[in-house]
Amino acid sequence: QKEVEQNSGPLSVPEGAIASLNCTYSDRGSQSFFWYRQYSGKSPELIMSIYSNGDKEDGRFTAQLNKASQYVSLLIRDSQPSDSATYLCAVNRAYGNKLVFGAGTILRVKS
Amino acid sequence: EAGVVQSPRYKIIEKKQPVAFWCNPISGHNTLYWYRQNLGQGPELLIRYENEEAVDDSQLPKDRFSAERLKGVDSTLKIQPAELGDSAVYLCASSLEGRGGIYGYTFGSGTRLTVV
Repeated sequence: QKEVEQNSGPLSVPEGAIASLNCTYSDRGSQSFFWYRQYSGKSPELIMSIYSNGDKEDGRFTAQLNKASQYVSLLIRDSQPSDSATYLCAVNRAYGNKLVFGAGTILRVKS
Repeated sequence: EAGVVQSPRYKIIEKKQPVAFWCNPISGHNTLYWYRQNLGQGPELLIRYENEEAVDDSQLPKDRFSAERLKGVDSTLKIQPAELGDSAVYLCASSLEGRGGIYGYTFGSGTRLTVV
């Protein structure tokens, strides 16, 4: 079992729809959770962080965390073609100052 | 504020040749990470430095990979000799000391290595 698992996609949504990206992790002691966006040929860019159970909203992005289920998700409202990218879920282990990344989910927003 | 600076952006070498990558972190960031990202995969940690000390190099293939951060600022990652399987993007990231796992960290633009 991988430490951080994501559906590779691609996830295709029409412009203006809500895109829902999911991630599960295996280390129950993990404390910090991140979503990175990576455009083709570019490096990952941090877009959201979440630490507590529940929802965290930032503009069109909402991160959701459920530690009991070891599940993190990212919702993108009013999806735009410019949101088309790979979304990487990253988790900080219980011990150690480093992030473990999932393989990413490819999102395609069709206009 | 300048971000994490990496060079070169691209490198093509023949197998068995040596190659080196350079990274300059964000000013004031004590923690520096080298990651490798294979096509279609997420980044995987190779080595983490706290100042000049390598505190996590468990995933670094030490038979052919080496890294240094002599003055606790910029860092060099070297591969000698390179193999075809080393073709990947090598990413450098930095964070304030002890904060990378809490706040996440910033990546440089990466070096795309192709071994032929």
